[in-house]
Parts: sequence; C-alpha cells; structure tokens
Amino acid sequence: GAVVSQHPSWVICKSGTSVKIECRSLDFQATTMFWYRQFPKQSLMLMATSNEGSKATYEQGVEKDKFLINHASLTLSTLTVTSAHPEDSSFYICSALAGGDTQYFGPGTRLTVL
Amino acid sequence: AQSVAQPEDQVNVAEGNPLTVKCTYSVSGNPYLFWYVQYPNRGLQFLLKYITGDNLVKGSYGFEAEFNKSQTSFHLKKPSALVSDSALYFCAVFSRDSNYQLIWGAGTKLIIKP
Repeated sequence: GAVVSQHPSWVICKSGTSVKIECRSLDFQATTMFWYRQFPKQSLMLMATSNEGSKATYEQGVEKDKFLINHASLTLSTLTVTSAHPEDSSFYICSALAGGDTQYFGPGTRLTVL
Repeated sequence: AQSVAQPEDQVNVAEGNPLTVKCTYSVSGNPYLFWYVQYPNRGLQFLLKYITGDNLVKGSYGFEAEFNKSQTSFHLKKPSALVSDSALYFCAVFSRDSNYQLIWGAGTKLIIKP
C-alpha cells in the first residue's frame, strides 16, 4: 500500500515553455502533498505544501508564479513549471501524506530545460 | 533551530558485516523520526519510523533503528549488510511544532563491498 506515482519520469523541453508534472496517490487519499526539488548529491529541498481544495503554501524563495501547484482532488496534485529556463533543470519529487504522519514519495521527474 | 545531522557523508561496509548509519536531531516537541532510502535517479522509499512506544523500531529490508532520547539519536542499523543495500540514506524528523514538515539530514551514501 501507499504507492505514489509521478508522470512523466523525465522530460526535456525548450527554454520558455511550460511543463506539467503529475503526482498521484494510487491506493490512498492524500489531503496533503509535498513538492521537493533535489540537486545532484544533495538532500531534498521543500518547495511547497499542497492541500486539497486550497492554495499551496510555498517555502521562502520559491516563486509561486513560476511553480504553479494545483491539488484539485484527494489523489492528484500537479506542479507546472512555467516559462522554464535551464536553471530550472532538476529532479522534482512529490510526496503524499498518509496516516497523518508518513510521507510516501513518488519516483521523481527529471526535468532538463535546453 | 530545528535540524537533523548525518555526520558521515559515506559509510563503507563489507558484505555480511553489520552496518550503522548515524543520525542525530534537534527539534522542539516530541520528535517523529523517519529513515528513507534513495536508489540512483529514483524517489525515496520509506524504511521505518518512530512515533512512540518501543525505542527499537523494525522496518523494511531487515533494517532497524533505535530511538535514544537522551542522546537525541536515531541510528539506522542492519545486522548483516547486502551489496543491494548500497544506496543513499536520509534521516528526517518533524514535530507538531514544525507543522509536520520534514526536516532532512544531508544524506549518507552507504557502500557495501562484496
């Protein structure tokens, strides 16, 4: 149980385009989901906390207009990187909160912006 | 300030030997402690957690961890290492005071040599 999927697993896009990443909890409902960014050989950096039916809470330094988060249902949250630039290239990972205390993670999405 | 420390960037162990990956924490309030494992280019997999109760927690793949309140530690252990245990291990903690957001250690690379 507690499986989280992410799609796509990798994406390459041109600078200036937008990319949408989906995060789904497959066998449980998640009121709260999290979006992280991970740089090579580093720990996870929390970008935002996504709550179903309400606006996401962004961490300091994360541009909410650039990283749009939508948590429209109890099993789906999306992250849209708008007007992507090469510096946005990274590994993006989502997680969903289950049982009130444990985050289960998706497999991650590798974004490369050319 | 709330923090998690994994003092070793890398741990090398021979296959069949016991392994320990260290973690210490500093949080206000009662800690909820977690260990996750990350394989290359993948998301994180939940290994085990301590919320309350018995200080020795058993998790996936034969791993266990011991909560030590006086030393504010939550070291990950396994009696007999496998080559397939080679991966990146993250310790994380939250408390109600941190609004359930995980505070992450920097990660420890575990290398098991045949």
